[in-house]
Parts: sequence; structure tokens; C-alpha cells
Amino acid sequence: EIVLTQSPGTLSLSPGERATLSCRASQSVSSNYLAWYQQKPGQAPRLLIYGASSRATGIPDRFSGSGSGTDFTLTVSRLEPEDFALYYCQQYGSSPQTFGQGTKLEIK
Amino acid sequence: EVQVVQSGAEVKKPGESLKISCKGSGYSFTNYWIGWVRQMPGKGLEWMGIIYPGDSDTRYSPSFRGQVTISADKSISTAYLQWSSLKASDTAMYYCVRLLGYCSGVSCTGYFDYWGQGTQVTVSS
Repeated sequence: EIVLTQSPGTLSLSPGERATLSCRASQSVSSNYLAWYQQKPGQAPRLLIYGASSRATGIPDRFSGSGSGTDFTLTVSRLEPEDFALYYCQQYGSSPQTFGQGTKLEIK
Repeated sequence: EVQVVQSGAEVKKPGESLKISCKGSGYSFTNYWIGWVRQMPGKGLEWMGIIYPGDSDTRYSPSFRGQVTISADKSISTAYLQWSSLKASDTAMYYCVRLLGYCSGVSCTGYFDYWGQGTQVTVSS
């Protein structure tokens, strides 16, 4: 199965700053089938990005995804207070679908 | 509005059986795969398996095959996750998810566009 490694484990930034989260796959992700999810404490995850770069319905345009093959990035252009949360990447190009271990975005 | 609503928290003893549920509404329940994701305390997300309510075609992640049973009742737009004999290591939050994608042969592809609110399962003697 494809192993996804997210970095950094924790990212400490201030509101208004730019966040760059990385997701690296152990082998190439078929058709760039990579998604990003946001999870806030006590809540279910929410879909942010699919197909590596397409925003899900209702997701603000400060969230963007990029990358291909084995290296993918989620960027939050200007952090809002509500963006501080856990972020997971998921590959769905190969079975079984797998998730990264998560990056915690915390307020500095 | 699409909604996925799960049954409430459960506290069980080791060896007991359990069936939790997930009701889909606001969309054609029989036309989308619906599955389950586990999140153990303080840990990440693990895909467990998925079912197509239209014909009950089911797929399991290798890690969960034989450990749980996924089923669905399309007449009431409800999917289920079932254990025959719980272990303490089954303690986790379980999320019901709708797959925007498909399964073909042994492979499934797609992302999870709607998530239930989660069902906390606690197994303790």
C-alpha cells in the first residue's frame, strides 16, 4: 500500500501568515488522486481539496493544492483564526486508500 | 442538503457484539458508495471498508477484513458497521463517509465528500 508522510508534524504560525503543508507518497499517486481534509477538535474531517488541486464546494480560495507524482502541497495563503486545525492528506488512486498521519497547524 | 447522520455513542464490554448505523439523506442513497473510517484516540484516519447500497457490493481494507462487517438497508437509507466480538483495541471514533468515486474489481477510487458526525465506541471491562 502507498504510505503518505506529512511534514511538518506541527506548524506554528500567526494569523495572516502563509502556511505550506507537505504530503509525500512512497510511490507515485495514480492520476494525482490526492485529497486534503481539515479536522477541528471534536469535529469530523471536512474535504478541502480533491484531485490534488480542485477545491471542494464552499472552501475559501485561500486554500490551494498543488503537486503531482509523489510530492503534494496544501497552501493556505493568509491564515484566519479558524484555519488552525489538523490537516490530513489521502491518496485514492490505489487500493487500499491511505491517509497521511496529519499536520497540526497551531497558533504561534 | 446532503446529510450523513450516525447513531450515538456506545460503551461495551470486551466480547460483546455491536452494530452502529449511518443514515444518508438529501441524495440518492442507492447510487453512492458509503463507507467507514476509524480514528483511534489521538491517532490518524484509517479507511475500513465500503458498500454500494444499490446491490450491497462490499469492499474491505485488508486491515479490517474479517474483523468487521459492513451492511446496508436501502429501504431505510442506512448503512451499518458491525462487530461480533469487541476488543479493547476497537475503542475509537468511527466516521461514516460518502465516497465520490467507484469500485471496480478489488479496487476502489474516490474521495470522501460527506462525513457523519462520528460514533464513539468505547470497549472496557
